[in-house]
Amino acid sequence: DGGITQSPKYLFRKEGQNVTLSCEQNLNHDAMYWYRQDPGQGLRLIYYSQIVNDFQKGDIAEGYSVSREKKESFPLTVTSAQKNPTAFYLCASSPGLAEETQYFGPGTRLLVL
Amino acid sequence: DQQVKQNSPSLSVQEGRISILNCDYTNSMFDYFLWYKKYPAEGPTFLISISSIKDKNEDGRFTVFLNKSAKHLSLHIVPSQPGDSAVYFCAASSSGYALNFGKGTSLLVTP
Repeated sequence: DGGITQSPKYLFRKEGQNVTLSCEQNLNHDAMYWYRQDPGQGLRLIYYSQIVNDFQKGDIAEGYSVSREKKESFPLTVTSAQKNPTAFYLCASSPGLAEETQYFGPGTRLLVL
Repeated sequence: DQQVKQNSPSLSVQEGRISILNCDYTNSMFDYFLWYKKYPAEGPTFLISISSIKDKNEDGRFTVFLNKSAKHLSLHIVPSQPGDSAVYFCAASSSGYALNFGKGTSLLVTP
């Protein structure tokens, strides 16, 4: 059963702590993305990756880091430098980058304690 | 600066009637447009897309219209059903880059 999985569904972060959100896909897609959604807002792009070992900053990359060591996996680390991390985080993938439909995972809600 | 705009935050329609959701964009380089449906605390689900070489694409109850000269697209749902109640996001991209999303329109279909 192909798809995108994100874990955990809810994540709590303490002040000054780094946390990592997992995203895995078994769709054999080359491109993967991370978005952030805040209440009443659209999805804003954090980072994206076209191929393994390559990734680019999106519109709001500050305070975040990513890696793409495997085609199936694109973890997002929310660092202590991200001052307002509370949001709903969505991972997506697409076959390629140009004119391709993106398919989304179920999301992870990050809350700060 | 928001390149994709959905100016109606909410829309209420009676069951069986047509729902029309609108979207405007500012970047003339956009050449691929999509509509997603989203329920609370879930990821968006792809609904329908259209390339800039077309002006209409239809899939069952869903039709997307593109007016390039006006930089406007719309999603028509007919007939509307209560299960269509969700937030609808318009998105656009230019070749070789990721999607730009609007802020969404919350559709409520009442019985």
